[in-house]
Amino acid sequence: AQTVTQSQPEMSVQEAETVTLSCTYDTSESDYYLFWYKQPPSRQMILVIRQEAYKQQNATENRFSVNFQKAAKSFSLKISDSQLGDAAMYFCASSGNTPLVFGKGTRLSVIA
Amino acid sequence: NAGVTQTPKFRILKIGQSMTLQCAQDMNHNYMYWYRQDPGMGLKLIYYSVGAGITDKGEVPNGYNVSRSTTEDFPLRLELAAPSQTSVYFCASSYDQGLGQPQHFGDGTRLSIL
Repeated sequence: AQTVTQSQPEMSVQEAETVTLSCTYDTSESDYYLFWYKQPPSRQMILVIRQEAYKQQNATENRFSVNFQKAAKSFSLKISDSQLGDAAMYFCASSGNTPLVFGKGTRLSVIA
Repeated sequence: NAGVTQTPKFRILKIGQSMTLQCAQDMNHNYMYWYRQDPGMGLKLIYYSVGAGITDKGEVPNGYNVSRSTTEDFPLRLELAAPSQTSVYFCASSYDQGLGQPQHFGDGTRLSIL
C-alpha cells in the first residue's frame, strides 16, 4: 500500500519569493512515480510536475522544481518567483502499478 | 479539446434518492477513475477501470456502483444517497498507469445530500 503525507496544511509566501512545500511518502513498489497537482479555486486539478523514481535528477518545469530524496522518501516542491496565480491547494501524489494516492494537500497563499 | 467531461456540475439530492454522475473522455484512454474530495482533504479513490468491462474497487467504494460498457464512458451510481456522500466528485482518465502517465481530470461535480 502507498501513503502520502503532507505535513503543512497551510503556507504563505510573498510575491516574487521562493517557497517549498513538503511531502513524504511510503510505498512497497520498486517502480513508482511522484506528482504534484495544483487545485486553484476553480477546482480543476492541474498537473504541475512529475518525477520518475528511478531517475536521480530532480524534475523541473519553469519556476517549479522538486527535491527528490529517495532514501528519505521525501518529495518537496519548490516554487520560485511566486506569483499571485500560484495561490491554490497543492497535492502530492504517488502511483506505481496502482492508482494515484493523494496527500491531504497544502493551501498556499501568495501575499502581494 | 473536450478531455474529460463530467455532468452535472452541481446537484442537490434528498436522503434516499439515487442518481448517476456521468463521465466521458475523448482521448481513447484505457484507464478511468472516480475520486471523492471531502472538505479540506485530498482525493480518495472510489472505483477505477482498466478498460471496457473491467472495474475494481478503490479505497472508499461503499455506497457506489460503476460500469464501463465503452472506452469513453464511466458513470458512477449512487443508489441510496446518504449525507456522508456529500462531497465533490472527480472523474479522471489516463492512457496507462504503471508507466507514470498523468491523469487528466474533469472539472468535478459538487453533490450535496440533505
